[in-house]
Amino acid sequence: DSGVTQTPKHLITATGQRVTLRCSPRSGDLSVYWYQQSLDQGLQFLIQYYNGEERAKGNILERFSAQQFPDLHSELNLSSLELGDSALYFCASSPGGSSYNEQFFGPGTRLTVL
Amino acid sequence: DQQVKQNSPSLSVQEGRISILNCDYTNSMFDYFLWYKKYPAEGPTFLISISSIKDKNEDGRFTVFLNKSAKHLSLHIVPSQPGDSAVYFCAASPLRINTDKLIFGTGTRLQVFP
Repeated sequence: DSGVTQTPKHLITATGQRVTLRCSPRSGDLSVYWYQQSLDQGLQFLIQYYNGEERAKGNILERFSAQQFPDLHSELNLSSLELGDSALYFCASSPGGSSYNEQFFGPGTRLTVL
Repeated sequence: DQQVKQNSPSLSVQEGRISILNCDYTNSMFDYFLWYKKYPAEGPTFLISISSIKDKNEDGRFTVFLNKSAKHLSLHIVPSQPGDSAVYFCAASPLRINTDKLIFGTGTRLQVFP
């Protein structure tokens, strides 16, 4: 158990809909990262938050947005869903700060868009 | 543009033998490298890392080698055990530009057979 929790575990929805994925980082971690893993692909970095502020952005679509709340949990909002958005979405956390710390991953949310 | 490449999608090794997983990268801004292991239906688990100032790092049965001039790293597992069967992801981080986001390869599926 990494200490990172993600809900829901599975999500099935239709094209055009909007969903929210939730992540709670490990206790004490200030950085939260979101990654997307499509079929047979590596994990693609989407966005990073550090202590409530956006720190880095990857190949995140304009239809996607995220935020980190004062209690440090984070939400990833996906809107106007398309079939190609079907993927595993992972959240990771780390202490953050100036030096590198390995990231700890949650179990993921499997999103299926029909 | 795949900045981190794992050209072998799968590897099969006999129990007790050495497993060697390879990874190549193209971006000279990467200065921290990690290996993650992933079982089905779980998030990636951190295995071992190496900073660009080193060329080798060991942790028990796992050793990572870094060849900066060739932009190549490898993970050696000795001896291999059936429980090592999983997908292994190589990842790199461009820490020097003030973000520790991870750029992942597409993974190598390792199967260790008795």
